[in-house]
Amino acid sequence: QSVLTQPPSASGTPGQRVTISCSGSDSNIGSYTLNWYQQVPGTAPKLLIYNNNQRPSGVPDRFSGSKSGTSASLAISGLQSEDDADYYCAAWDDNLHVFVLGTGTKVSVL
Amino acid sequence: QVQLVESGGGVVQPGRSLRLSCAASGVTFSNFGMHWVRQAPGKGLEWVAVIWYDGSKKNYADSVKGRFTISRENSKNTLSLQINSLIAEDTAIYYCARFNGAYNGLDVWGQGTTVTVSS
Repeated sequence: QSVLTQPPSASGTPGQRVTISCSGSDSNIGSYTLNWYQQVPGTAPKLLIYNNNQRPSGVPDRFSGSKSGTSASLAISGLQSEDDADYYCAAWDDNLHVFVLGTGTKVSVL
Repeated sequence: QVQLVESGGGVVQPGRSLRLSCAASGVTFSNFGMHWVRQAPGKGLEWVAVIWYDGSKKNYADSVKGRFTISRENSKNTLSLQINSLIAEDTAIYYCARFNGAYNGLDVWGQGTTVTVSS
């Protein structure tokens, strides 16, 4: 039931900027705020971005989010080795009445 | 600090049932909606179910509707997921997570409990 589409992978070298896209529809991203979650392999997911572009306390400011219409993006600037993880976008869906998670993007730090 | 601890996972035969639990501490449990999210081996996250803070509403992913039941007991700070008629596709790590309205998102996650469906 994943209706939020993300690229399967992205990569960069330390210090570079990486951007991940998330594409949805009017009933989810177009109607509700978006979250981003980071999952380091072997650990539970962690809330990274909320309300489209806000960072919880403790999340470095090299992570930033944006939303426009039915699409959103997560940018990681000044890529660091600890950013090597999976990233998921998420939003409520008004048609399905469920919380939808993106397909996930594996970010590799080369 | 706020902590969620899942339990109840294990190896189960197809067709059997299992009940997962999530114990909350360090938080006023009854103030928050709660979700279950699962992750099959090598796969992405899949949202499973949500229950409103007072238990008045519940929603499920299509893939589990009719077989899974989410419930909560606020007096015991406990969330549960009853899984019936287990199939191989239910093999996954199951996470419980707190929905925080201030973030419009899942801000606290448990460490997960593993369910393996195998004969």
